[in-house]
Amino acid sequence: NAGVTQTPKFQVLKTGQSMTLQCAQDMNHNSMYWYRQDPGMGLRLIYYSASEGTTDKGEVPNGYNVSRLNKREFSLRLESAAPSQTSVYFCASSGRDSPNTEAFFGQGTRLTVV
Amino acid sequence: GENVEQHPSTLSVQEGDSAVIKCTYSDSASNYFPWYKQELGKRPQLIIDIRSNVGEKKDQRIAVTLNKTAKHFSLHITETQPEDSAVYFCAASINPGGYNKLIFGAGTRLAVHP
Repeated sequence: NAGVTQTPKFQVLKTGQSMTLQCAQDMNHNSMYWYRQDPGMGLRLIYYSASEGTTDKGEVPNGYNVSRLNKREFSLRLESAAPSQTSVYFCASSGRDSPNTEAFFGQGTRLTVV
Repeated sequence: GENVEQHPSTLSVQEGDSAVIKCTYSDSASNYFPWYKQELGKRPQLIIDIRSNVGEKKDQRIAVTLNKTAKHFSLHITETQPEDSAVYFCAASINPGGYNKLIFGAGTRLAVHP
């Protein structure tokens, strides 16, 4: 049972380049999330997906797009990377059996935009 | 929009002392309040959670209290040990359409000195 798997773990981009962060979970969870973590800012929600086929904006969606490809996978895309998007990105998922269930996190992607 | 404030941002205690971290939330519809611990370079992991129908919950040296009227909740760690040193995040969850939407506080960096 791998839980939540993110790829890549590290990435360096030049300003203006694009990339997609991949996330997959094997816990049959309905809800999936993308957060970014900056020093002193905690975890800020970028986008979330309540179920397959639905996505919603979080606190800081500008500059990002997401795709809920199927129940397992939720990807985050940076179309034109900017230095302000340098951060650690975490994907997470949570179940639906109870609305209030633990969120499990991936190992994170450390992204640097130069 | 939803907001969670967390205090203090840093906390330094001597081994064996108690540590208390406090959070307030803005959305009265929030009904699930987890606490996460994040060690350096690792993913956040759930340590304890509380639901809105409970006022207090304890798990060994860790306890959480909830005051829904005042919209605040707290984490209490007793008999602190050096391995408790980490960043702790509180979160509040609302459930649009029955799915979790977690909003995190900015985090508290706890240092336990031997």
